[in-house]
Amino acid sequence: AQKITQTQPGMFVQEKEAVTLDCTYDTSDQSYGLFWYKQPSSGEMIFLIYQGSYDEQNATEGRYSLNFQKARKSANLVISASQLGDSAMYFCAMREGQEGGADGLTFGKGTHLIIQP
Amino acid sequence: DAGITQSPRHKVTETGTPVTLRCHQTENHRYMYWYRQDPGHGLRLIHYSYGVKDTDKGEVSDGYSVSRSKTEDFLLTLESATSSQTSVYFCAIRIRQGARNTEAFFGQGTRLTVV
Repeated sequence: AQKITQTQPGMFVQEKEAVTLDCTYDTSDQSYGLFWYKQPSSGEMIFLIYQGSYDEQNATEGRYSLNFQKARKSANLVISASQLGDSAMYFCAMREGQEGGADGLTFGKGTHLIIQP
Repeated sequence: DAGITQSPRHKVTETGTPVTLRCHQTENHRYMYWYRQDPGHGLRLIHYSYGVKDTDKGEVSDGYSVSRSKTEDFLLTLESATSSQTSVYFCAIRIRQGARNTEAFFGQGTRLTVV
């Protein structure tokens, strides 16, 4: 079974609209972290936002927020007031185990977001 | 960019030849990672390091080895390159931001083509 599932291979959104990118995860660990990354067409991986499993409040970073629903095992990324520059691939990822551990990330397959003017 | 540099950025090599990719960081971070990115797979962990000479395997480690003889350099070696190893390779570091450990920074990536 996939540990990270992103069900939207592609999305088209009008500029200035809010966008929700879906991510569900599967883990039996009590301690884990959830991440979102942006990959524009230039190829670099850009960290957007992080949510720890014990965080009681949803993480926010500027126009990005993470809608964390622990019981449903979902960690959706919300982009408010989308901009043309938001067009990119977006990856959800998870690190299992304690935050201080060395384990790497498991990534979803990504969502290709295109913002239309 | 947390001072991460990958080299080379692009490489074409022949099947069966050894290839070494380098990840260099300038900020003395303990944890370093190698991932590969292929269409339809997202990024997958190859190997990681939690200190000098301390490394471990990730999800797709077959055909790869790593070395970390000093904190700043993490080397990924394809002992005998195969066409299935054609991919984009990313190095990442984990940094401390306030009270959190987050994988905030990736290198620019190395595009490797095995012909």
